[in-house]
Amino acid sequence: EAGVAQSPRYKIIEKRQSVAFWCNPISGHATLYWYQQILGQGPKLLIQFQNNGVVDDSQLPKDRFSAERLKGVDSTLKIQPAKLEDSAVYLCASSLGGNTEAFFGQGTRLTVV
Amino acid sequence: AQKVTQAQTEISVVEKEDVTLDCVYETRDTTYYLFWYKQPPSGELVFLIRRNSFDEQNEISGRYSWNFQKSTSSFNFTITASQVVDSAVYFCALSEGGADGLTFGKGTHLIIQP
Repeated sequence: EAGVAQSPRYKIIEKRQSVAFWCNPISGHATLYWYQQILGQGPKLLIQFQNNGVVDDSQLPKDRFSAERLKGVDSTLKIQPAKLEDSAVYLCASSLGGNTEAFFGQGTRLTVV
Repeated sequence: AQKVTQAQTEISVVEKEDVTLDCVYETRDTTYYLFWYKQPPSGELVFLIRRNSFDEQNEISGRYSWNFQKSTSSFNFTITASQVVDSAVYFCALSEGGADGLTFGKGTHLIIQP
């Protein structure tokens, strides 16, 4: 069974530029999450989707971050404009929901210079 | 609000030693779920175990065991006869019954020296 796919693996941008990350969850997983992991810390939930609807985006900095999940499958996370403090690994995960275990992708390492 | 505390930032032991990683959690919900994940140097989080708040039975899986104690709000993880391949960052996490999203601790960096 294929795991959670993310691209790109690495991205370097200048501050104030925009960037987008893509995620393809495990087939059949209705719940999709985006987490931000800053170096030396645990992942922090940014947004959770159930199918193509947002369940929780309370920790998403909505002035610069946006996310969508078209047709309840793939998802994109966008940052515009990026700040230096956005440098982190962005992890996508998916699950069957109901507090079952989430499966994570390899992440996208973003460096903002 | 929920919180997970992993007080041990880094642990270093020699191979074959037993090691315990501590996890203390806070939640107001009576229904919640606890998880452990492993993050090797490659970066991908690997699921290890999930427990719900109504099941305090300890669990053993090979060299891994977990001790869940609601009285102390702890969910500790023990590796018996550690191996170099166990070297990684280990995260404890919590989700509450009404929401799936995980709240993670800061992680414990485990170093197993040969």
